[in-house]
Amino acid sequence: DVKVTQSSRYLVKRTGEKVFLECVQDMDHENMFWYRQDPGLGLRLIYFSYDVKMKEKGDIPEGYSVSREKKERFSLILESASTNQTSMYLCASSSPRLAGYEQYFGPGTRLTVT
Amino acid sequence: AQSVTQLDSQVPVFEEAPVELRCNYSSSVSVYLFWYVQYPNQGLQLLLKYLSGSTLVKGINGFEAEFNKSQTSFHLRKPSVHISDTAEYFCAVSRGAAGNKLTFGGGTRVLVKP
Repeated sequence: DVKVTQSSRYLVKRTGEKVFLECVQDMDHENMFWYRQDPGLGLRLIYFSYDVKMKEKGDIPEGYSVSREKKERFSLILESASTNQTSMYLCASSSPRLAGYEQYFGPGTRLTVT
Repeated sequence: AQSVTQLDSQVPVFEEAPVELRCNYSSSVSVYLFWYVQYPNQGLQLLLKYLSGSTLVKGINGFEAEFNKSQTSFHLRKPSVHISDTAEYFCAVSRGAAGNKLTFGGGTRVLVKP
C-alpha cells in the first residue's frame, strides 16, 4: 500500500518560532509537493520539488522555504511563524511514470500559530 | 493561467438521493482532470481521473464524472448517496505542459442527511 506520512497531525507554535514540517513517501516518487488548505480556497501550492535538491516556487511561497536532501523526504520550513500561517498543510507525491501524474496525499498537519 | 471553479461550496442531500457536484475549468491547453475526496480529518484520496478517451469516467464508491470539452466542465455524479459520502470534494486540473502540478478548485462540502 502506497504511503505518504507527515510528522505531526497537530502542531501549536508561537509567533516568531521556526517550524519544520516533515513529509516522507515510500513510493520512490520523483515529485513532491507542499500545499496549504484553507476553507473556501481549496489547496494552494507552496513549493514543489522534482528531484533531490531541486525545488520550484508554487503560487504562495512567501514566508516558506523547503529542503529535499533525500528522494523520499521533503521538508517545509516556516522561518518565523506568523498567525496568518495557521492552516492545514498537506504533502503529496507523484511520478512522471504515473498516468496523468496522479498525486498521493499525506493525512495533513493542522498548524496553529498563536 | 489555469483556474478551476466549483460552483457550490456546500451541498446538503438526503441519503439515497442523487448528487451532482459541478466543476468548470479554464485552460488554453489539453488537460488532465481529477476529482479527489477528503473525509473528515484525513488527506485527499483520488476518486477518478480523466486522461483521454471516453468522456464518461467511472471511479470508486459509485462515483462517475463526465468531461465536456466544449463547456470546459467535469461534473461529478452519484445516483444514490450514503451517509459515508459526507466529505469535501475537490476538482483539480493538471497544468498542461507542466503536467506534474495541479490547480484545485475551492472544494464542495457534501453533507448527507438521513
